[in-house]
Amino acid sequence: KNEVEQSPQNLTAQEGEFITINCSYSVGISALHWLQQHPGGGIVSLFMLSSGKKKHGRLIATINIQEKHSSLHITASHPRDSAVYICAAHTSGSRLTFGEGTQLTVNP
Amino acid sequence: GAGVSQSPSNKVTEKGKDVELRCDPISGHTALYWYRQRLGQGLEFLIYFQGNSAPDKSGLPSDRFSAERTGESVSTLTIQRTQQEDSAVYLCASSLVAGLTGNTIYFGEGSWLTVV
Repeated sequence: KNEVEQSPQNLTAQEGEFITINCSYSVGISALHWLQQHPGGGIVSLFMLSSGKKKHGRLIATINIQEKHSSLHITASHPRDSAVYICAAHTSGSRLTFGEGTQLTVNP
Repeated sequence: GAGVSQSPSNKVTEKGKDVELRCDPISGHTALYWYRQRLGQGLEFLIYFQGNSAPDKSGLPSDRFSAERTGESVSTLTIQRTQQEDSAVYLCASSLVAGLTGNTIYFGEGSWLTVV
């Protein structure tokens, strides 16, 4: 069992739909990151959370430390949101442990 | 520069040759990380530096892999006697300080390595 698990692995949505990607982790963490990987491979850090909720534009990230669960939500999805979304947990030391990623495709 | 810079962006090398991958972190960032992503797979941690020291090298897949950092700045990841399974994109990232909450990590564009 991976220490960080994401679901779903693949997600196809229609433009405008509300999207949720889930991340569960089984280890103690100091922080959790949501990353976006573009088709060319570049990675952008979207959020870093240690508690509660953060919002940036149409993106919302939440974390429940007790349940060891985080979600990334995208409101009013758009084709340009198509990317791989990766959950990464700060575990021991400064090591990041990554989920397998969620491939999101938003169709026009 | 403004972001994390990696070079080369693409490298094709013959099996058995050595390669060096370079990372220039954001100026002032004391923490530097190397990750690898093989085709169709997730990201793997390789090594991280706090300053010029590497407290955690446990992710390096074999003794053919080594990394160093100098001047709390540039880092070089060296792969000796490359094998086909080393083909991957090698990503570098940096952050202001390692391991603290509130610490955003910035990624480079990656170095795509193909071993033929």
